[in-house]
Amino acid sequence: EVQLVESGGGLVQPGGSLRLSCAASGFKFSSYYMSWVRQAPGKGLEWVANIDQDGSEKYYVGSVRGRFTISRDNAKNSLFLQLDSLRGEDTAVYYCARMFYFFDYWGQGALVTVSS
Amino acid sequence: EIVLTQSPDFQSVTPKEKVTITCRASQSIGTSLHWYQQKPDQSPKLLIKYASQSISGVPSRFSGSGSGTDFTLTINGLEAEDVAAYYCHQSSSLPVTFGGGTKVEIK
Repeated sequence: EVQLVESGGGLVQPGGSLRLSCAASGFKFSSYYMSWVRQAPGKGLEWVANIDQDGSEKYYVGSVRGRFTISRDNAKNSLFLQLDSLRGEDTAVYYCARMFYFFDYWGQGALVTVSS
Repeated sequence: EIVLTQSPDFQSVTPKEKVTITCRASQSIGTSLHWYQQKPDQSPKLLIKYASQSISGVPSRFSGSGSGTDFTLTINGLEAEDVAAYYCHQSSSLPVTFGGGTKVEIK
């Protein structure tokens, strides 16, 4: 059974940093693109970042480029998102998702709240 | 960036009624269009891939159609468990984008 479990969410002040993790199991992690997708409270879905199978190619939505960094550790079946220079508009539930053009499996999400 | 416009934003439907949700892309995307269901307080779930391809485990009352710029998600006979938000998503080009969502409730 495919499982994606996020951790690392919490309350952080504007300008602060946070690191999200996603533990993957039930599939060959190193064979898949992985993504982060976020959802602000009461709002729709927004793709944040992609990373290819070996971590050599990374893509970001414009609003986070230069502030967020996606990475992965295939030996530990883990995906990460480093969030720096956080702003109020980054407040959202962040989902880890397996990607094959479409997002076929999603984690339960990690809530990041940016507030003073 | 490809913009996906969903309509309607909200739909109140009686049980067993047919539901139709549309998604229009700002430029042609072939069939690189996928649909998701998000029930209250849950993660999204893949419903339809590549505009019309079914997903194992998804009830057959859900179907998709379209290509190019105009797409449709149809629920043939709404059931109470289908109360959710529905989103379209394009993977034709980066950044991948989602439609704004359609909330479906039982009347």
